[in-house]
Parts: sequence; C-alpha cells; structure tokens
Amino acid sequence: GESVGLHLPTLSVQEGDNSIINCAYSNSASDYFIWYKQESGKGPQFIIDIRSNMDKRQGQRVTVLLNKTVKHLSLQIAATQPGDSAVYFCAENVRNQGGKLIFGQGTELSVKP
Amino acid sequence: NAGVMQNPRHLVRRRGQEARLRCSPMKGHSHVYWYRQLPEEGLKFMVYLQKENIIDESGMPKERFSAEFPKEGPSILRIQQVVRGDSAAYFCASSDIETQYFGPGTRLLVL
Repeated sequence: GESVGLHLPTLSVQEGDNSIINCAYSNSASDYFIWYKQESGKGPQFIIDIRSNMDKRQGQRVTVLLNKTVKHLSLQIAATQPGDSAVYFCAENVRNQGGKLIFGQGTELSVKP
Repeated sequence: NAGVMQNPRHLVRRRGQEARLRCSPMKGHSHVYWYRQLPEEGLKFMVYLQKENIIDESGMPKERFSAEFPKEGPSILRIQQVVRGDSAAYFCASSDIETQYFGPGTRLLVL
C-alpha cells in the first residue's frame, strides 16, 4: 500500500560527525518529497524538499538524495551539532492525490557531545 | 512574518465534551491541512481545505469530526463527544503552492 517508512528508528552520532537518515517509500507515483525536523513538544519544521525530477539537492549543511529506482530517500547532515537532536520525518506527496503528505514513522537522532 | 498559529496549545476535555482547535495560516497562504500525531508515531493526514471549501477529507473519521475554513477567521477542527482515543497532538499546516509549514500543534488530552 502507500506508505513511507524509515529504516532505523534511532540514530546516535558524535558531535561533528556526518549523519545519514534513510527513508523508503512505496508509491512510484510520488513526485515530491520533504524532510521535516521535529523537536520535543514542537511542530514539524521544514528542512529541505526535492522533486522527483531531481536526484540531489543541497541546503545549508543538509543534502537530500533521491533514488527513484529503489524508491529510497536520504537526508545527510554535515558536521552534526547537538541542536540537530530531534526526530526526523520524511514525507511524500503522491501525484494527482491533492496536497496531502504521507509521513514515515520518524528517526530519532541523538548527538553526543 | 508570523508563522502558522494554533490555539489552544493544550486542551483537556472529559469524555463526551466537544473540542475546538483553531489554526491561523501563514499570511498569504490559502491552503490549510490538519494532521494527527499519536505518541511516537508519524503524522497522519486528516483533511485539506481552501477558503470555504473542503478539498480532501479522506483521512477524517466519518463521525464526530468536522473541519471548516471560513472566508474570514481561522480554520477550525471540531471533535464532538470526545473519547479517550482522540487524545493526540493535532497539527495544522498551511501552504501557498506546495510546501507545507506547520504550526506548534494542539495537544488534546481526554480524561
């Protein structure tokens, strides 16, 4: 069925290391993907997005990679900082199904000082 | 430039009461979405509205739940006769074209 899932529920990294958070999606009709960061007690915060006609997009310290062949999405965070500790969600928008986003379960990133 | 605003931030209701959750979208945004999040889970889509119109309510329970986005004023998510299973965080998002920006959420606790 249509779902977005994450490979790992938790990820622990050392401060200064790079982090990679993965996401698998199952709907080949999805054409727009977003990564959100959610800190405890807060709403999801937009990080970066990518359309299906791209395979890579870079922002400030973050890179999103999209592999449509295996329906895989990843978020790379460079030089991870304690302030990056949060739950990260990928979300997909399915073409011709309106604006609703389908969210994965989330990966909790913990940064050790 | 204020972001998406939601109120109240916390709401406690007893079983059988009504809950009203409000959402003011970002300035210039005409699309509003409501999502529900259970503890340690991802967000689940409920409803998508534009001014005075419900575009997609495929994620909304058929009974007790309703949503509106009037011409003037905030969007309202209304839950009648709440039950304990309604306890969750309810998030509103708004967009102008595509990217959805979320509010801080309303945490509903049903006693």
